[in-house]
Amino acid sequence: DAGVIQSPRHEVTEMGQEVTLRCKPISGHDYLFWYRQTMMRGLELLIYFNNNVPIDDSGMPEDRFSAKMPNASFSTLKIQPSEPRDSAVYFCASSLHPTVEQFFGPGTRLTVL
Amino acid sequence: KQEVTQIPAALSVPEGENLVLNCSFTDSAIYNLQWFRQDPGKGLTSLLLIQSSQREQTSGRLNASLDKSSGRSTLYIAASQPGDSATYLCAVSNAGNMLTFGGGTRLMVKP
Repeated sequence: DAGVIQSPRHEVTEMGQEVTLRCKPISGHDYLFWYRQTMMRGLELLIYFNNNVPIDDSGMPEDRFSAKMPNASFSTLKIQPSEPRDSAVYFCASSLHPTVEQFFGPGTRLTVL
Repeated sequence: KQEVTQIPAALSVPEGENLVLNCSFTDSAIYNLQWFRQDPGKGLTSLLLIQSSQREQTSGRLNASLDKSSGRSTLYIAASQPGDSATYLCAVSNAGNMLTFGGGTRLMVKP
C-alpha cells in the first residue's frame, strides 16, 4: 500500500486566494483526519470523517475553512480566502478504527504571502 | 479538555546512551496512547500504540509504558543512535476518536 497520499506537497499563494489541499487515505480505512501543525500551537485536529461523513469539525478555525469527503478514497480541505496566519503544515491521516493507530501522510506545507 | 505535556522539550545525548522521554496527560479517560516520530520536514511515523488496558509495548530498542491512573507515559530508547535524532510526539485518544498531541521532545543523538 502506498500509504496516505497528499497533494500538493508545497503550496505558496497570495493572501485572498483559494487553496485546496487533497488527501487519499489508505484503502479500507474508514476514518480520515485533517490536522494542522504550527510552531506556536503544535499539532491540532481540524476535522475528522467516518465513512465519508464529517463527525467533528470543532477544530476548524473559522468559516474560511471547509472540508469534504465525496467518496472513500478522496478528501479535500479548502481555505477561501487564505490569510498569512493560515501558513502551516497540513496533515491528513487515516485509520481502520478509532482504537487503532493513525497513519499520517507527508503533509502539505502551505505558505500564504 | 485534555492537555498533553512532554518533558523535556529538547534533549541532547551521546551515542549509546539509554534515555527516557516523558509524556503526561490531564484526563485519564483515554482509549489509547500513541508515540510518533517526526523527522524535519516530514510526516509522522507511528512507533508504538498502547491501548488503555495495557501497561507497555515494545518494538526493537523502544519500550513505551502507560500508567493511566497517574496520567503518564514514558518512551524508553535503548542504546541510542544518531539515526534516532528526531522529534518524538505522544498523543492520546479520548472519546470522540480525537487525538490530542503533546508539544514533542526534540532529540539529538551525537556521534
